[in-house]
Amino acid sequence: RKEVEQDPGPFNVPEGATVAFNCTYSNSASQSFFWYRQDCRKEPKLLMSVYSSGNEDGRFTAQLNRASQYISLLIRDSKLSDSATYLCVVNMRATSGGFKTIFGAGTRLFVKA
Amino acid sequence: GAVVSQHPSWVICKSGTSVKIECRSLDFQATTMFWYRQFPKQSLMLMATSNEGSKATYEQGVEKDKFLINHASLTLSTLTVTSAHPEDSSFYICSARAGFGEKLFFGSGTQLSVL
Repeated sequence: RKEVEQDPGPFNVPEGATVAFNCTYSNSASQSFFWYRQDCRKEPKLLMSVYSSGNEDGRFTAQLNRASQYISLLIRDSKLSDSATYLCVVNMRATSGGFKTIFGAGTRLFVKA
Repeated sequence: GAVVSQHPSWVICKSGTSVKIECRSLDFQATTMFWYRQFPKQSLMLMATSNEGSKATYEQGVEKDKFLINHASLTLSTLTVTSAHPEDSSFYICSARAGFGEKLFFGSGTQLSVL
């Protein structure tokens, strides 16, 4: 089982739609969680951190459920510019005793006019 | 915001040569740097984690003798692809953070093409 798993996608939605991405992680000792956005052949950019209390930034809402080891990202009123790959990112303890950051495979979103 | 500089942004080399990629944190001290590889239409794959002053920790399946990582200072990490072959052609990207739990900042990536 992969350490971080995401919806495979792609998601094809019309402008204005609401879309939700899901992500699960296997390591219960995972410490911190993020959603990143990556445009084609560019570096990932931080979209938002994810907290147990949930957090919202404009049209974007992220949720964390530690009991279910589940993270979600909700995008409301989709824009054409939201088209990208969304990456679920988890910081977890490494077997070496340190910490490592693992990316999910990403979910591709296409927003169409 | 924090900036991570990675260069070169692209490199073309002959099979059998070695290529060095540099990753610098410009305005913060990066205690940990990560190196990723990304093949077309695939996600980022973590290759190794490096902490300043210690040996890098490689992910399973990544050859440490082929991908040499040096993190000699708090602002610089290098990845050397030794004796590169066409199958090593990929997008390599580094990231850095100041401390655990902190956000990652990414370099702009290096597209390596081995002929």
